[in-house]
Amino acid sequence: AQTVTQSQPEMSVQEAETVTLSCTYDTSESDYYLFWYKQPPSRQMILVIRQEAYKQQNATENRFSVNFQKAAKSFSLKISDSQLGDAAMYFCAYRSALHSGGGADGLTFGKGTHLIIQP
Amino acid sequence: DAGVTQSPTHLIKTRGQQVTLRCSPKSGHDTVSWYQQALGQGPQFIFQYYEEEERQRGNFPDRFSGHQFPNYSSELNVNALLLGDSALYLCASSTLDRVGGGKLFFGSGTQLSVL
Repeated sequence: AQTVTQSQPEMSVQEAETVTLSCTYDTSESDYYLFWYKQPPSRQMILVIRQEAYKQQNATENRFSVNFQKAAKSFSLKISDSQLGDAAMYFCAYRSALHSGGGADGLTFGKGTHLIIQP
Repeated sequence: DAGVTQSPTHLIKTRGQQVTLRCSPKSGHDTVSWYQQALGQGPQFIFQYYEEEERQRGNFPDRFSGHQFPNYSSELNVNALLLGDSALYLCASSTLDRVGGGKLFFGSGTQLSVL
């Protein structure tokens, strides 16, 4: 079974600064997807960024980028120019590609990192 | 365009009772997944429904069951409630994405408290 580990229960960053959230995972599969989700106090999970394991290029979405190290099974999220609205719980998640072609199957989530933005 | 809607938002039950949670997927979506999020934890996958059938299931007992209707809406049923079933229950919808890694849209959840 796959596992996802987020070793930082809480992180704090000054507004406009850069912060990196860590995530490691364990799998015997070679093809999979990795995600970062944001969960604000509204409780709704929002997709931040997605990475396909077969792509070597790191995904980027505006101020959000990842550092994907497949051999090390590491998938960190970098948030540049942090904004007050970035404050939330951030979850790293894994999905096997074995069921690809059949919808978005079950995700395995880490325990989350609480990100605090200091004004 | 309404996103994923869940009802009720909060629910209080006692041990041994049964509960039904409801989810309406985002317009155009045909697949619904359910997750359980205990306090201080990440969500755990319960099961997924497509074409009114359970397509994939996580490590949850048979007390957890579901249903999907022809309009793609879904229900999660939990029988014989335990204190440990207290959690936020999240519904997520998607399309049957042949590319894989399809994007999930989540609702705001139902907070279930079992006393």
